[in-house]
Amino acid sequence: KNEVEQSPQNLTAQEGEFITINCSYSVGISALHWLQQHPGGGIVSLFMLSSGKKKHGRLIATINIQEKHSSLHITASHPRDSAVYICAVSGLTFGEGTQLTVNP
Amino acid sequence: EAGVTQFPSHSVIEKGQTVTLRCDPISGHDNLYWYRRVMGKEIKFLLHFVKESKQDESGMPNNRFLAERTGGTYSTLKVQPAELEDSGVYFCASSQGTPLANYGYTFGSGTRLTVV
Repeated sequence: KNEVEQSPQNLTAQEGEFITINCSYSVGISALHWLQQHPGGGIVSLFMLSSGKKKHGRLIATINIQEKHSSLHITASHPRDSAVYICAVSGLTFGEGTQLTVNP
Repeated sequence: EAGVTQFPSHSVIEKGQTVTLRCDPISGHDNLYWYRRVMGKEIKFLLHFVKESKQDESGMPNNRFLAERTGGTYSTLKVQPAELEDSGVYFCASSQGTPLANYGYTFGSGTRLTVV
């Protein structure tokens, strides 16, 4: 069992849908990052969280330290959101990623 | 501001050969991290430099991997001799400071290494 578990592994949505990706972890944490990786591309850091909630455009990230759980939400999803979303704990331990495909 | 630069972007080498990957962090970022993603697996931490010193190299898989950061600027990761299981994408990231909770980090585009 990975120390950082993401769900779902794969997610297909229609444009406009609200999307949630979950991350549960069992390791100690100083910060949790949500990363985005496009096919053939590099990795972009979307959020860094140590508590509470952050919002950037259509993306919202939340973290519950007590429950060791974080969620990434995408509102009004768009095909350009299609990518792999990765949860990373303290820069050391990564989830396997969630492959998101948003169809027009 | 220039981002984190990695090169080459792709490298195909034969088993037993040597390959050197390079990472240029964002100017002024003392912290530099190397990661690797093997096909179908999660990203794995390899090591962390603070300036030219290795802060944490617990993720280095074996002694065929050698990372350096002379002068505390760019870093190289050498694999010698390369084995088939070394194939994957090697990412570098840099951060202005630690802990990451305060600073966050920026990734490079990665080097895709294929060992045949």
